[in-house]
Amino acid sequence: QLVESGGDLVQPGGSLRLSCVASGFTFSNYEMNWIRQAPGKGLEWIAYTTNSGNVLQYADSVRGRFTISRDNSQNLLLLQMTGLRVEDTAFYYCANSVLWGQGTLVSVSS
Amino acid sequence: DIQMTQSPSSVSASVGDTVTITCRASQNIGNWLGWLQQKPGKAPKPLVYPASSLQSGVPSRFSGSGSGTEFTLTIVSLRPEDYATYYCHQTSTFPRTFGGGTRVDIK
Repeated sequence: QLVESGGDLVQPGGSLRLSCVASGFTFSNYEMNWIRQAPGKGLEWIAYTTNSGNVLQYADSVRGRFTISRDNSQNLLLLQMTGLRVEDTAFYYCANSVLWGQGTLVSVSS
Repeated sequence: DIQMTQSPSSVSASVGDTVTITCRASQNIGNWLGWLQQKPGKAPKPLVYPASSLQSGVPSRFSGSGSGTEFTLTIVSLRPEDYATYYCHQTSTFPRTFGGGTRVDIK
């Protein structure tokens, strides 16, 4: 399973770090993604890492503000978010090709 | 960016009906297409990936087909637990993109 944490209420311009802990499968074999969903809206892919972490990709909406990383020794996927904006408010999911986490809510508001 | 267009955006169906959802990609994505099911207040659940491969544990009444630019998700003998929103997504190129969703509700 995948379990996200770290979501919180933060002011515009603030920072937050999301974590996703994997269990029950060989984490280091899987490419991983962060995907978000604003309340009542559709799905938006925001970041990707290869299984080794040597190739990273970002959506234009978050490039330069968000950083994806992973620690395969701890079965851990991270998303460092800086310069948060009101429009970043969403449920954030970690996911691979066969499994999604339950999500963690990030709210950006003054 | 590759645009993913789903149709219909919503469908009303009865238990036992067959429902077909179409997803069209704005360019050739081979078979790099997945289908997700999302119920209210829950995380999306992968059903099919790639294109026609059913994920482990997904009932056989679900099936995916297609390649290139046109894909379908078919649900035969609709059950009450199938009422949900379904999304297609492509993993052919970056940025990854999703369809707008198809809501399947009770007729």
